[in-house]
Amino acid sequence: ETGVTQTPRHLVMGMTNKKSLKCEQHLGHNAMYWYKQSAKKPLELMFVYSLEERVENNSVPSRFSPECPNSSHLFLHLHTLQPEDSALYLCASSQRQGEAYEQYFGPGTRLTVT
Amino acid sequence: GQNIDQPTEMTATEGAIVQINCTYQTSGFNGLFWYQQHAGEAPTFLSYNVLDGLEEKGRFSSFLSRSKGYSYLLLKELQMKDSASYLCAVRDSNYQLIWGAGTKLIIKP
Repeated sequence: ETGVTQTPRHLVMGMTNKKSLKCEQHLGHNAMYWYKQSAKKPLELMFVYSLEERVENNSVPSRFSPECPNSSHLFLHLHTLQPEDSALYLCASSQRQGEAYEQYFGPGTRLTVT
Repeated sequence: GQNIDQPTEMTATEGAIVQINCTYQTSGFNGLFWYQQHAGEAPTFLSYNVLDGLEEKGRFSSFLSRSKGYSYLLLKELQMKDSASYLCAVRDSNYQLIWGAGTKLIIKP
């Protein structure tokens, strides 16, 4: 595997379910990101991890819970979501956080909350 | 507030040239990025500008004017595979990336 991978690619869940999204980067990067992408809206940064430490949490509801066990893996745990949480969730990584390095994105998880 | 503006959708003809504009108002400036995103796929990095002027990369060029808060992405010799969304993003004084909503480019034969 190369680059940034995400699983699952598609997820349908009810509002009472618990699920997790997984991201893995094979680039040796030190920073990882979760974004939410809704149709015709800008990418919304949710969480940033640098060297496995959470450095940003952009007022995201507590029903989204990130976890970064090591610099290659990032999870987003989902619990009691709302229909408006349906979106494409993108993971990205970069060499370092907070500097002029481009971010490399995974293909995303298309989440539908019913 | 911080804001990135780009057209929602553009249409162009195969073989032609198209210019996608991006204007920004941000708290500080530490570089501007362009990304390409095909439907259902990951955004991929195209270009980075931090100084005024034109950066050329094959068929794609990106221009920046910091005094005008303006950038454009120029695509030459358009091919059908260039049909995608093009995202403009600016890094502000806190090194936060502020994203535009993207421009959907439709290429017609």
